[in-house]
Amino acid sequence: DQQVKQNSPSLSVQEGRISILNCDYTNSMFDYFLWYKKYPAEGPTFLISISSIKDKNEDGRFTVFLNKSAKHLSLHIVPSQPGDSAVYFCAASGNTPLVFGKGTRLSVIA
Amino acid sequence: GAGVSQSPRYKVAKRGQDVALRCDPISGHVSLFWYQQALGQGPEFLTYFQNEAQLDKSGLPSDRFFAERPEGSVSTLKIQRTQQEDSAVYLCASSLGPGGGYTFGSGTRLTVV
Repeated sequence: DQQVKQNSPSLSVQEGRISILNCDYTNSMFDYFLWYKKYPAEGPTFLISISSIKDKNEDGRFTVFLNKSAKHLSLHIVPSQPGDSAVYFCAASGNTPLVFGKGTRLSVIA
Repeated sequence: GAGVSQSPRYKVAKRGQDVALRCDPISGHVSLFWYQQALGQGPEFLTYFQNEAQLDKSGLPSDRFFAERPEGSVSTLKIQRTQQEDSAVYLCASSLGPGGGYTFGSGTRLTVV
């Protein structure tokens, strides 16, 4: 049973537009959420995180929103750039090792 | 080194062969994690160390998988009698503590033929 779900395997966005990546979770014990970015043949790299006591965290072009009642979080990238093309993983923790979703492949088209 | 180092980067093993994958974490990082990533999937948790203590091995898929971190630094993931379903990228990550963001290595891609 998947505790962290990313239902969109892929997403294509025009350069300069907003990219929105979604993630749902089922375990109400999760209290810390992260997004990782992965390029081919490299390990995932940390992008941004949010604690369950917040509903928004912003870092430059990247913003993560958390809706605890819906058990849903999203990553917004604006403006999207070609270098953002990668696989994005949502991850969650409740004082446990991180649980990852299956990832969403983002393609930013110039 | 500055990051998490994993070796080898690629390993081809014949079915039934034993393999050993090495992870060198960031110096001073107490926590070390192993994940398995199959093609098209997200990383799946295998096991977790805090210093030399293996605190959680609930993700190891079978008793053919064994991990150790004897001196609380370098860790080795050993797979005995490899099977085709073991083919995956094995990722190692370390962090200062059990929570927070992990730093991943580039992974070892294991192909069992």
